[in-house]
Amino acid sequence: SQTIHQWPATLVQPVGSPLSLECTVEGTSNPNLYWYRQAAGRGLQLLFYSVGIGQISSEVPQNLSASRPQDRQFILSSKKLLLSDSGFYLCAWSQQTGTEAFFGQGTRLTVV
Amino acid sequence: GNSVTQMEGPVTLSEEAFLTINCTYTATGYPSLFWYVQYPGEGLQLLLKATKADDKGSNKGFEATYRKETTSFHLEKGSVQVSDSAVYFCALSDAGGTSYGKLTFGQGTILTVHP
Repeated sequence: SQTIHQWPATLVQPVGSPLSLECTVEGTSNPNLYWYRQAAGRGLQLLFYSVGIGQISSEVPQNLSASRPQDRQFILSSKKLLLSDSGFYLCAWSQQTGTEAFFGQGTRLTVV
Repeated sequence: GNSVTQMEGPVTLSEEAFLTINCTYTATGYPSLFWYVQYPGEGLQLLLKATKADDKGSNKGFEATYRKETTSFHLEKGSVQVSDSAVYFCALSDAGGTSYGKLTFGQGTILTVHP
């Protein structure tokens, strides 16, 4: 069966510091991968998606970037965090031909 | 573009009460529709789905029917439990070739069930 791992679960970082969140998927190959952010107020916003190694599409302009160095690894990064980057970040995957997405447990990021 | 509008709530019910959370959508083509549930501090779990008109998704006593004529996908449960307390999200995925499984979410509805 497929599983998705996301870490860390919580993170408190000062303004201006770098960020690296990692997500890996097991039990499948060539998945679509996604990073969503859930800000206060509960809505989910798609930040990035990837349909293959090295292929990244950004949905919204922001202070963040994403990379996919391996087939089942997806990384969310920032060189300098802003207060507005605080939120709950969720990694997800779906089959190439499927419809539903499966989510990781999320990372609670607080920028102070 | 695609959009999902759902009842914002919060919704507060007594145990064994009937639940309805409304969801309507706007999309081109024929999207797939989903309900996800989020328990406190956790990620989203797929609750149920429907991929074509008149399909009924069901799971754990929850049901939703894909109504193309009213562009709706309302979530229902006949008798809620305290353990159903969570945030519920309606979502759609475009069936188009360039959608890549991207989801468009509603704002979420907080459900609290009291004993």
